[in-house]
Amino acid sequence: DTGVSQDPRHKITKRGQNVTFRCDPISEHNRLYWYRQTLGQGPEFLTYFQNEAQLEKSRLLSDRFSAERPKGSFSTLEIQRTEQGDSAMYLCASSLARGSGNTIYFGEGSWLTVV
Amino acid sequence: AQSVAQPEDQVNVAEGNPLTVKCTYSVSGNPYLFWYVQYPNRGLQFLLKYITGDNLVKGSYGFEAEFNKSQTSFHLKKPSALVSDSALYFCAVDDYKLSFGAGTTVTVRA
Repeated sequence: DTGVSQDPRHKITKRGQNVTFRCDPISEHNRLYWYRQTLGQGPEFLTYFQNEAQLEKSRLLSDRFSAERPKGSFSTLEIQRTEQGDSAMYLCASSLARGSGNTIYFGEGSWLTVV
Repeated sequence: AQSVAQPEDQVNVAEGNPLTVKCTYSVSGNPYLFWYVQYPNRGLQFLLKYITGDNLVKGSYGFEAEFNKSQTSFHLKKPSALVSDSALYFCAVDDYKLSFGAGTTVTVRA
């Protein structure tokens, strides 16, 4: 069990550019989540997958954001035409899917700075 | 909608003193409640959770939490705080995804 892995850990990009983050969940976990956290705030839910199916998207996930989990293993989160307001830490997490109450394990996060 | 609230932005304690971080919840049905800790520029680390059963839950690093249904609270406690416990603490409720409180910054002074 190597934990949830995220890459890159830090990304600085110019406004208007596209960025992509990758997440590798804990190997036996079939649920994968994306959260966004800004400085001094709690994480906000963006979306989650069960296997390769995207089951819910928050209204925070604008049309510029897209997440995929093509084979039910790793996931990518792409932000198109980045804006300064997208600057945040993007957290990936994973869990088993057995109803509610499963422990959700987080990665170290990917920091995005849009300049 | 299920939610949690952390009424204190900051908690300051001296090393060796008891530490309490407060959390209240608003949930329909049986709550699944969690505590996480976050160190600077790091992800969230799981501390403990309440699913059902014993109201006193023990977790990692000497932390425990008490579930109180009548007060709709789930306060995090540690009998003797360490300087290394200084961090940001989040309470969360699970509704097939986690919804977090705003967080409480804990500072333990030597």
